[in-house]
Amino acid sequence: GDSVTQMEGPVTLSEEAFLTINCTYTATGYPSLFWYVQYPGEGLQLLLKATKADDKGSNKGFEATYRKETTSFHLEKGSVQVSDSAVYFCALSGTDSWGKLQFGAGTQVVVTP
Amino acid sequence: EPEVTQTPSHQVTQMGQEVILRCVPISNHLYFYWYRQILGQKVEFLVSFYNNEISEKSEIFDDQFSVERPDGSNFTLKIRSTKLEDSAMYFCASSWGPGSYNEQFFGPGTRLTVL
Repeated sequence: GDSVTQMEGPVTLSEEAFLTINCTYTATGYPSLFWYVQYPGEGLQLLLKATKADDKGSNKGFEATYRKETTSFHLEKGSVQVSDSAVYFCALSGTDSWGKLQFGAGTQVVVTP
Repeated sequence: EPEVTQTPSHQVTQMGQEVILRCVPISNHLYFYWYRQILGQKVEFLVSFYNNEISEKSEIFDDQFSVERPDGSNFTLKIRSTKLEDSAMYFCASSWGPGSYNEQFFGPGTRLTVL
């Protein structure tokens, strides 16, 4: 079945550092790929998405490119802020699905001043 | 900005008791979902619901679980006889359209503790 694997955390960074969170997936067909973020005490929020190969999703300085050849959707940000401290979830939705999201385990990111 | 709300934020219950978790989706959304996250584990899909019926469910969603949209605003998840392993954070989500192209908006979650 479909699955998502993302790097384990926590990832601790200094402010203005470069952030990468790796995400790879297994799926049949051409799933849509998502990054969700969860700030402390809040629900999951969509950060960005890509619905076909080579699409780049971007939002709030974060980017991720849908790489079909490597089945990856790595999240990157060039200069993180303390406010980016959160848990980040990679997820996919299969083409034969009614919207069911399959999530990775989540990666906690801690940004220190 | 419209948001999904969930009540209660924390529910404590005894094993074998019935619980109902409540959600108010965004008002013009048509598709509704429940997910859960056991502490330290992945967020797992439970069920999707559209046009007053279940459209998809996972293996987790067995006969002990049911969902209902009792009126035009609420969406509920009922667990008939709770088990210790049902302890988790339960998230409700809603979307305007189906499938993988439409953003799902999540509520803040209900933490269920089964003693």
